[in-house]
Amino acid sequence: DAKTTQPNSMESNEEEPVHLPCNHSTISGTDYIHWYRQLPSQGPEYVIHGLTSNVNNRMASLAIAEDRKSSTLILHRATLRDAAVYYCILRDGPNFGNEKLTFGTGTRLTIIP
Amino acid sequence: DAGVIQSPRHEVTEMGQEVTLRCKPISGHDYLFWYRQTMMRGLELLIYFNNNVPIDDSGMPEDRFSAKMPNASFSTLKIQPSEPRDSAVYFCASSLGRLTFGYTFGSGTRLTVV
Repeated sequence: DAKTTQPNSMESNEEEPVHLPCNHSTISGTDYIHWYRQLPSQGPEYVIHGLTSNVNNRMASLAIAEDRKSSTLILHRATLRDAAVYYCILRDGPNFGNEKLTFGTGTRLTIIP
Repeated sequence: DAGVIQSPRHEVTEMGQEVTLRCKPISGHDYLFWYRQTMMRGLELLIYFNNNVPIDDSGMPEDRFSAKMPNASFSTLKIQPSEPRDSAVYFCASSLGRLTFGYTFGSGTRLTVV
């Protein structure tokens, strides 16, 4: 499986945008990029996903590099409730028989009031 | 929708005892997953089911662990006998099994084996 690389930790000030990077230099053409986050004492939560184009939803935006070797999760205005571990995960598109979601170590985001 | 429901939220048991963790997936979801999370190993997939049938149990650590899904609305993860190294948070998740849909996780069961 293609791997992702994320910084172990990041800090951001409250009410400012946050850009969480993810490198996936060995991504294949059919891999989807998924982001999950895990708030303290909770299970992981789906955030967003994309293939080639940038994506927006109510939680965040996903910016995907043109060569797809990296992506950035953007929280437009961070709040204290966004403090969590953020996971960037690749899922193989055509491989519908394999539903495994493999979590790495993620980025621990700290929001400074 | 109540989401994925796990019980109990916390379980403390003595080494050697049998432990059963329970999960109710979201209605209509045809995939169910059991994960374990520890500080040392992070989130690990133990087993997953599709339409109540186990598809991949390669993550189950050893024969002491077993999982069942007798129907679409219920699954159990059993550890017998339990050992202190089984202490972890166990998560259940369900999904529609399509790439464009995410997984929904439960709140987890924190297991402590003393």
